[in-house]
Amino acid sequence: EAGVTQSPTHLIKTRGQQATLRCSPISGHTSVYWYQQALGLGLQFLLWYDEGEERNRGNFPPRFSGRQFPNYSSELNVNALELEDSALYLCASSLERVSAFFGQGTRLTVV
Amino acid sequence: AQKVTQAQTEISVVEKEDVTLDCVYETRDTTYYLFWYKQPPSGELVFLIRRNSFDEQNEISGRYSWNFQKSTSSFNFTITASQVVDSAVYFCALSLYTGANSKLTFGKGITLSVRP
Repeated sequence: EAGVTQSPTHLIKTRGQQATLRCSPISGHTSVYWYQQALGLGLQFLLWYDEGEERNRGNFPPRFSGRQFPNYSSELNVNALELEDSALYLCASSLERVSAFFGQGTRLTVV
Repeated sequence: AQKVTQAQTEISVVEKEDVTLDCVYETRDTTYYLFWYKQPPSGELVFLIRRNSFDEQNEISGRYSWNFQKSTSSFNFTITASQVVDSAVYFCALSLYTGANSKLTFGKGITLSVRP
């Protein structure tokens, strides 16, 4: 059984641009969570989607947004990129809103 | 609000030593889940264990064991006979199971270095 897959693995963008990160959950999982791991800031919760709806978001500005598709895959969009958005973005999926299995992450670098 | 404290930031041991990673949590909820994850240099978070608040039974899985004590709000992780491959950052995390609060709250992580 395939695990959580994220694409791309690395992404380099210029300040002010937009970045789109993608996540495919484990088959049958309906919840997708996004986390940011920035240097010195630890792992911080970004967004939670379940059954196509945004259920909760962390303390991030509105330029961080996303969506979940009917097949439960998800996109994270970051608009107007800033240098401090450089981080590892991790996606996790869950069936029962509890256990979270993570993908390998997308490393976003903003230059 | 939930909080997870991993007071140890870096631990260095020699191979075959036992090592315990400490985790203390705070929550007012009575139903919650505790996790440990391993993050090797590749970056992926590897799920190690999940424990719910109603199950204080200790668990052993090979060289890994976990000690959950509600009385001290601790969920400590012990690696017996450590190996070089155990070198990684280890995160303890807490999740509630109350609707929108099912997100994981992580500790800051412990960097474990196992020297040959």
